[in-house]
Amino acid sequence: GAGVSQSPRYKVAKRGQDVALRCDPISGHVSLFWYQQALGQGPEFLTYFQNEAQLDKSGLPSDRFFAERPEGSVSTLKIQRTQQEDSAVYLCASSFTTGTSGAYEQYFGPGTRLTVT
Amino acid sequence: AQSVTQLDSHVSVSEGTPVLLRCNYSSSYSPSLFWYVQHPNKGLQLLLKYTSAATLVKGINGFEAEFKKSETSFHLTKPSAHMSDAAEYFCVVKRNYGQNFVFGPGTRLSVLP
Repeated sequence: GAGVSQSPRYKVAKRGQDVALRCDPISGHVSLFWYQQALGQGPEFLTYFQNEAQLDKSGLPSDRFFAERPEGSVSTLKIQRTQQEDSAVYLCASSFTTGTSGAYEQYFGPGTRLTVT
Repeated sequence: AQSVTQLDSHVSVSEGTPVLLRCNYSSSYSPSLFWYVQHPNKGLQLLLKYTSAATLVKGINGFEAEFKKSETSFHLTKPSAHMSDAAEYFCVVKRNYGQNFVFGPGTRLSVLP
């Protein structure tokens, strides 16, 4: 079946602009995650949804970052007033389980590469 | 809090020789551990995961990893490297309470002909 898809794949924004990044998880997956991957580093957690509920947003770096998943499927990560330090690859992942224990894998999308000029 | 250390930022091997990518973790409880691979311009792909059922875990493409609690290690190995193995490899620990993953900084594997 189809995997996790993200759009756009590449986004160039001028400093101060707002951007919206979209994630389509695997159908039926309850859990959805956003990660930020800076150049040459491992991904870092931003936020987590279980269905439409945002259960953890501890990784969002500032109040300029906002994520939503209103119908429990597609999710959008919005960054307001972009800054150069926001330049990174933004990864979306989904998982079937809602359990907090156990080795449940996450399925990752290809990412959106955001460049702020 | 959980954390992951990948001791080598870059590993270079010749095709047909063994691969060893090192990973050490920090976790207060029995961890859930994973190895993911990231090829250029492609999404992260799961190689294998530790489920506590067996300490030696076999994954895809001939990779395997051994969980050693006494050493807090989860090193990734492959007997014979292939050119297509060249990629970035991430060791990952899942938070014990919660859902999100904690990634190591990654090891870039180069395979020389």
